[in-house]
Amino acid sequence: EPEVTQTPSHQVTQMGQEVILRCVPISNHLYFYWYRQILGQKVEFLVSFYNNEISEKSEIFDDQFSVERPDGSNFTLKIRSTKLEDSAMYFCASSETSGDYGYTFGSGTRLTVV
Amino acid sequence: AQTVTQSQPEMSVQEAETVTLSCTYDTSESDYYLFWYKQPPSRQMILVIRQEAYKQQNATENRFSVNFQKAAKSFSLKISDSQLGDAAMYFCAYEIIRGSQGNLIFGKGTKLSVKP
Repeated sequence: EPEVTQTPSHQVTQMGQEVILRCVPISNHLYFYWYRQILGQKVEFLVSFYNNEISEKSEIFDDQFSVERPDGSNFTLKIRSTKLEDSAMYFCASSETSGDYGYTFGSGTRLTVV
Repeated sequence: AQTVTQSQPEMSVQEAETVTLSCTYDTSESDYYLFWYKQPPSRQMILVIRQEAYKQQNATENRFSVNFQKAAKSFSLKISDSQLGDAAMYFCAYEIIRGSQGNLIFGKGTKLSVKP
């Protein structure tokens, strides 16, 4: 069964450093998303991406965040200057259409900011 | 604002028994999707079942079924013949159809334990 692949599975970074989280969505999917889950809390929507541009973003997705699809297969989330409160599990997801058949999530990247 | 409420932080079920996880949501929209996701200790989010609000028939996937009560804004998940592998966090999620792309709103989750 097709999977959404995320790398790395765990990343530790110093506060103030930039991190890039990588995702390879399912190949025939057109819509891509990032979510985060702070430990013990609910999963929160960050951003959706379609046709090489952001289609929707939440209040969490401020100027320190950016997304990119650099090469037609990868989908990245960049956090420009990490803060302690950015420590969370980050999930990438993709869908063939906009939600009709649900979203396929990756296994997540655990980001720890120290 | 749309909200999703899962009133049971933890539930427990005996292997082979049936358990129901509850979920309510608040919305003024008429067209939306509802989902149940499972998150095992591996932390991956796995789609269990989905329901379109315009369909009256309750969705079913093998041992998993929902009781969708649109007027009551209730979307409970029934797991029949529970198995040890069903132990996980279960998240209820909601998404409006119109004007939304991927903006799933999740509940806080219910931790399900399965006793052998």
